[in-house]
Amino acid sequence: EPEVTQTPSHQVTQMGQEVILRCVPISNHLYFYWYRQILGQKVEFLVSFYNNEISEKSEIFDDQFSVERPDGSNFTLKIRSTKLEDSAMYFCASDRDRGFSGANVLTFGAGSRLTVL
Amino acid sequence: AQTVTQSQPEMSVQEAETVTLSCTYDTSENNYYLFWYKQPPSRQMILVIRQEAYKQQNATENRFSVNFQKAAKSFSLKISDSQLGDTAMYFCAFGSGTYKYIFGTGTRLKVLA
Repeated sequence: EPEVTQTPSHQVTQMGQEVILRCVPISNHLYFYWYRQILGQKVEFLVSFYNNEISEKSEIFDDQFSVERPDGSNFTLKIRSTKLEDSAMYFCASDRDRGFSGANVLTFGAGSRLTVL
Repeated sequence: AQTVTQSQPEMSVQEAETVTLSCTYDTSENNYYLFWYKQPPSRQMILVIRQEAYKQQNATENRFSVNFQKAAKSFSLKISDSQLGDTAMYFCAFGSGTYKYIFGTGTRLKVLA
């Protein structure tokens, strides 16, 4: 069964450093998402991406965050200058169609755990 | 704004028994979807079941079924004949005509041998 693949599985970084989290969505999917889950808290929406641009973003997704799909397969989340509160599990998800055509749901990756020291 | 509430942080059930996980939500929309996702210790979230709000019939998937009460804004998950492999974190999620899902805080379910 097709999977969404995320790398790295765990990254430890110093506060103020830049981090790039990578995702390979399912090949025929068109919509891409990042979510995050701070330890013990709910899964929160960060951003959605379609047709090489951001479709929607949350308040969490400030100027320190950016996304891009540089080569037609990878979908990356960059945090320019990490803060302690960025420590979380980051999940990538993809969808073939806009979620509510009745046929499709989000497929999630296994997540990338980011620890900021 | 939509909210999703899971009031049971942790639950346990004996193998082969039945367990029900609760979820309530709040929305002013009429057309939406509700989901239960399972996150095993391996971390990948997997869709368990979904319910379209316009359907009155409760969704079922093998041992998993939901009790969808639209007026009460309640969406509980029933797992019958619980198996050790059902041990996981379970998230309830709400989706409507936007690109994002709203998740609850999750219920950690442990199936005991």
